Parts: sequence; C-alpha cells; structure tokens
Amino acid sequence: NAGVTQTPKFQVLKTGQSMTLQCAQDMNHEYMSWYRQDPGMGLRLIHYSVGAGITDQGEVPNGYNVSRSTTEDFPLRLLSAAPSQTSVYFCASSYIGRDGYTFGSGTRLTVV
Amino acid sequence: SQQGEEDPQALSIQEGENATMNCSYKTSINNLQWYRQNSGRGLVHLILIRSNEREKHSGRLRVTLDTSKKSSSLLITASRAADTASYFCATVYGSSNTGKLIFGQGTTLQVKP
Repeated sequence: NAGVTQTPKFQVLKTGQSMTLQCAQDMNHEYMSWYRQDPGMGLRLIHYSVGAGITDQGEVPNGYNVSRSTTEDFPLRLLSAAPSQTSVYFCASSYIGRDGYTFGSGTRLTVV
Repeated sequence: SQQGEEDPQALSIQEGENATMNCSYKTSINNLQWYRQNSGRGLVHLILIRSNEREKHSGRLRVTLDTSKKSSSLLITASRAADTASYFCATVYGSSNTGKLIFGQGTTLQVKP
C-alpha cells in the first residue's frame, strides 16, 4: 500500500517553462487536493477534486490547472512557471466523510 | 482569506510538560482537523473533531472545540522530544463535508530534552 505518491521530489524550472507535477493514490479515495507551502504562510489550497471528472478552485488557483480523469491520479500543471511559484507542493487524498487527509511527501519546486 | 489563526506561533517547553496550541476560525465549520509536520516532511493527520463534538482524545492528545467562540485547542500531555514539529489546524467550512480543507499558519513546537 503506497499511499500518496508524488513525483518528482525536486524540480528546477526556468521562468516560462511548463511542467506537470504528478500525484497518485492507491487507496480509492474520492477527495484529492493540491497545496503549496511557503515559509510563514502555512499551506494554501490550490485546487481540489471530490471525484473523477470533478475539480474546483481553492484559495490560490491562478497559474495552475488540474484534471481528474481517474480516481487514482490528480496531476497539477504549471502553465508558464514564474519565480512566485517557487514553493513546496503537497498532494493529499481522503475518503468522503472519513477521518483526515493522507499527504504525499511533497515536491520542492524552484523557478529561476 | 478563510485561513484561521493559530496561537502561539512558536512554543518551547521542557520534556514532560504539557503543550497547548490554539486555533481560531472565521465562519461555521463542518469539521476541524489537526495535523503534525516534522521538518522537511509531509503532514500527518492527528485527529478530526466534528462541529457537533466538544472534545476528543487520542493517546496523549486532547482536542476541544468551542463553536460559540469559533476556536479549538490541541493539548499534548507529557511531551517528548519526538513531539518537536509544526502543528496545523485545518477546517472544512460550511454545513457539509465538501473536502475543501483550509489550513492555518501553524504552531512550531520545540520540546527540549
């Protein structure tokens, strides 16, 4: 049982490049979310999904796209990377109405 | 922003002492959750308390919820050096469990051996 798997663990991008952060869970969780964590800011919700085919915006969605074509996968796309998107990104998943989210180990992204 | 506030931002205690962290939020909630994050790691879920509950226990953890004051507290009893971490409260706002979980900024706890 792998839980929530995020890839890559580290990434350096140049300004303007695009990339996709991968997130996969093997627990058949309905809920999946993406967060970014910046020093002193706690975690901020980017996008979330309550099931395959359903996504919604969180607190800081600008510059990011998501899709949920399967229950297992919830990729986060950076369309045109900016230095302000330098952060640690966490993916998380949960059953509806059950206890708590399971978090991945994070992707540390630097945009230069 | 819907983010709640946590108090204190940092806490330093001796091993064996109790640690209390507080969380305030802004509007009605479905549930409130507490998470721990060790340095450089992902978050680990500790406990969930629903809006119709007032207190929950899990091992050395005790969580209270006061919906009239829109606040929660996390008590760690008999702290250990291994409890050194950041602790976050997070809330699902509204009457239903939408899964939209909003985090506070966290409390950094240092437990000195």
